[in-house]
Amino acid sequence: RKEVEQDPGPFNVPEGATVAFNCTYSNSASQSFFWYRQDCRKEPKLLMSVYSSGNEDGRFTAQLNRASQYISLLIRDSKLSDSATYLCVVNIRTSYDKVIFGPGTSLSVIP
Amino acid sequence: DGGITQSPKYLFRKEGQNVTLSCEQNLNHDAMYWYRQDPGQGLRLIYYSQIVNDFQKGDIAEGYSVSREKKESFPLTVTSAQKNPTAFYLCASSIELGGKGRYGYTFGSGTRLTVV
Repeated sequence: RKEVEQDPGPFNVPEGATVAFNCTYSNSASQSFFWYRQDCRKEPKLLMSVYSSGNEDGRFTAQLNRASQYISLLIRDSKLSDSATYLCVVNIRTSYDKVIFGPGTSLSVIP
Repeated sequence: DGGITQSPKYLFRKEGQNVTLSCEQNLNHDAMYWYRQDPGQGLRLIYYSQIVNDFQKGDIAEGYSVSREKKESFPLTVTSAQKNPTAFYLCASSIELGGKGRYGYTFGSGTRLTVV
């Protein structure tokens, strides 16, 4: 089993739609969680951190369920500019700061 | 502005040659990382360094070498021993944001290496 797994995608949604991405992780020692966005042929950029209480940033909402080892990202009122690959990232603090990237879920927002 | 600079953006190399990818950061981050990304796949860790003069192998270190002589610099050498070096290479650095294991993680813009 991979350490971080994501919805395989791709997601093709119309403008204005709400879309949800799921991510599961296998290591219960995982401490920090993030969603990154990666545009085609560019570097990943931090979208938002994910906190236990859940957090919201504008149209984006992230949730963490430690018991189920599950992270989600909800995007409301999708824009064309939201088209990208969304990476689930998990930080496991062992003897070093081990950061594990999920394979990513591709989103295309269609006019 | 602080950030991570990778150079060159595009690099072509003949088979059998070593090539070095540059990564410089002025964020005062202690930890630096090299990742490889292949088309349609996630990032895989090649090497990482927590402090100057120390580095550790990641998941796919074979055929690569690194050095960390300065805090700001973490160059990656792709050697001729790397069987399939054509990929997108990303350098990153990180620092702890708070006391609870939340690390700021910043990427460079990447180097796209093609072996011809």
